[in-house]
Amino acid sequence: NAGVTQTPKFQVLKTGQSMTLQCAQDMNHNSMYWYRQDPGMGLRLIYYSASEGTTDKGEVPNGYNVSRLNKREFSLRLESAAPSQTSVYFCASRGAGGNTEAFFGQGTRLTVV
Amino acid sequence: AQRVTQPEKLLSVFKGAPVELKCNYSYSGSPELFWYVQYSRQRLQLLLRHISRESIKGFTADLNKGETSFHLKKPFAQEEDSAMYYCALGKHSGNTPLVFGKGTRLSVIA
Repeated sequence: NAGVTQTPKFQVLKTGQSMTLQCAQDMNHNSMYWYRQDPGMGLRLIYYSASEGTTDKGEVPNGYNVSRLNKREFSLRLESAAPSQTSVYFCASRGAGGNTEAFFGQGTRLTVV
Repeated sequence: AQRVTQPEKLLSVFKGAPVELKCNYSYSGSPELFWYVQYSRQRLQLLLRHISRESIKGFTADLNKGETSFHLKKPFAQEEDSAMYYCALGKHSGNTPLVFGKGTRLSVIA
């Protein structure tokens, strides 16, 4: 049981380049999330998808787009990368019901130069 | 609006000393509270949830609705407890995103 899998693990981009971060979960969870982790800022929600076919903005959505391709997959796209998007990105999923935990991927360390 | 406050960015304690990592929350409804731990450059993993009222790796956390707190405690710190700890708050529905505090880095000194 792989849980939540993210690719790639590391990426270096030049300013203005685009890329897509991939995320897949095999736990049949309805909800999936993208967070970014920055020193001193904790985890901030970028976008989330409460169910297949829906997406919603989180706290810091500017500069990002997402696609909920199917129930398993939720991708995050940077159309024109900026140095301010240098961060560690985590995908997570969560099942329905009360007090369910969120399961996290291993993270993508992105550097924009 | 939901908010989680972890007042300490860094907490350093000696091995064998008691540990308390503070977490306060703001939410008008019935909260779901969690503690996550992140060891160096690894993924976040669940440590505790308030509904379970269990002890994991010697850690406990009690929800105090009057003080809107969910502090994490351990009576005797171990070196392997050194990590980043995040308190997280959810709404009682399961499909909504968790809101995280900014985290506290615990450093246990031998």
